[in-house]
Amino acid sequence: RKEVEQDPGPFNVPEGATVAFNCTYSNSASQSFFWYRQDCRKEPKLLMSVYSSGNEDGRFTAQLNRASQYISLLIRDSKLSDSATYLCVVNPGGGSNYKLTFGKGTLLTVNP
Amino acid sequence: ETGVTQSPTHLIKTRGQQVTLRCSSQSGHNTVSWYQQALGQGPQFIFQYYREEENGRGNFPPRFSGLQFPNYSSELNVNALELDDSALYLCASSPGGSSGNTIYFGEGSWLTVV
Repeated sequence: RKEVEQDPGPFNVPEGATVAFNCTYSNSASQSFFWYRQDCRKEPKLLMSVYSSGNEDGRFTAQLNRASQYISLLIRDSKLSDSATYLCVVNPGGGSNYKLTFGKGTLLTVNP
Repeated sequence: ETGVTQSPTHLIKTRGQQVTLRCSSQSGHNTVSWYQQALGQGPQFIFQYYREEENGRGNFPPRFSGLQFPNYSSELNVNALELDDSALYLCASSPGGSSGNTIYFGEGSWLTVV
């Protein structure tokens, strides 16, 4: 089983659509969880951290289910500028250990 | 931007050659990590340096080696290059201690091995 597994995608959605990305992780001791966004031929950038209580940042909502080892990202009212690859990221060591484990990424294209 | 700079941005090497990639971390950051991102894949952890010492290594062979300098800048060296080493190499810096998990990526170095 891969350490971090994401929906393979790609996702093609119209502007204004709601899209959900799913991710599972294998290490039950993992401590920190994130979603990163990566534009074509650019470096990954932190989109949001993911907390057990769930968290929201504008149109973006992230959820974590530790029992199921499952992470999700919901994007509401998609914009053209949301087109990018979304990377599910797990920090297996937690704390100040920055050895991140990335999923393969899911490509999202938002169409006009 | 992030304050993390990498050089060179693009380079082409021949199989069997050696390459050195460089990274200047954000001011005040004493931890540097290197990642390899092959086309269509997520970044894979190579190794991490903390205060000039290697502090963890991913599943990469010994021909991948690194250094961190007293100013916390870092180098990634790859010997005996193989075609599969063609990838985007990302450097990430972070503050040590209990400052949380925010890391900052540089724009990367694109390596093509022919």
